[in-house]
Amino acid sequence: AIQMTQSPSSLSASVGDRVTITCRASQDIRNDVSWYQHKPGKAPKVLIYGASTLQSGVPSRFSGGGSGTDFSLTISSLQPEDYATYYCLQDFKYPWTFGQGTKVEIK
Amino acid sequence: EVHLVESGGGLVQPGGSLRLSCAASGFTFSTYAMDWVRQAPGKGLEWVSAISATGNSAYYADSVQGRFTMSRDNSKNTLFLEMNSLAAEDTAVYYCATDEGSVRGPTSLDCWGQGTLVTVSS
Repeated sequence: AIQMTQSPSSLSASVGDRVTITCRASQDIRNDVSWYQHKPGKAPKVLIYGASTLQSGVPSRFSGGGSGTDFSLTISSLQPEDYATYYCLQDFKYPWTFGQGTKVEIK
Repeated sequence: EVHLVESGGGLVQPGGSLRLSCAASGFTFSTYAMDWVRQAPGKGLEWVSAISATGNSAYYADSVQGRFTMSRDNSKNTLFLEMNSLAAEDTAVYYCATDEGSVRGPTSLDCWGQGTLVTVSS
């Protein structure tokens, strides 16, 4: 199975900070990556698909990039509602695999 | 509005079986591939399985291959996950989600249910 190595596993940041999370795939997966935000007790929410396409309704401070094996999710100006855990997901080949997650905490 | 409601979770003994359901509404269920994703306590999200829109093809994570079977009834807008030989490691909240891959080029899991908790314990 394709492994998605996500980093960092956690980070502390202040409101207004720029935050970048990365995922590295164990093989070339073109741009077949989506990103999800997950808050405790809630359903996960898709932010980005196709590595860089912003899901409808998602604020423009979220952006995604990369192709091949290296991908990133950037929050340009962290807002209070952005404190959550973020995951990448490769959908290039079954079985699909998530990254380990990045918990974004308040500094 | 898309609505997904999982049911069937509960407490089951190791080695036991359980059948989860996911009732869908608010969209044309028969045109969407669907997925199951789980989250064990204190752990991250784990993709479990996917099924094509017609139900002809299903795919599984290595951790559940041979034990779990995903199916669907498009006439009843319902998704199923049959889980056998359950072990403590299968304890998790199980979510069903719509898979955009059958209706769009780049895929993603767009709409999710609230999840159902499965606890495997003696």
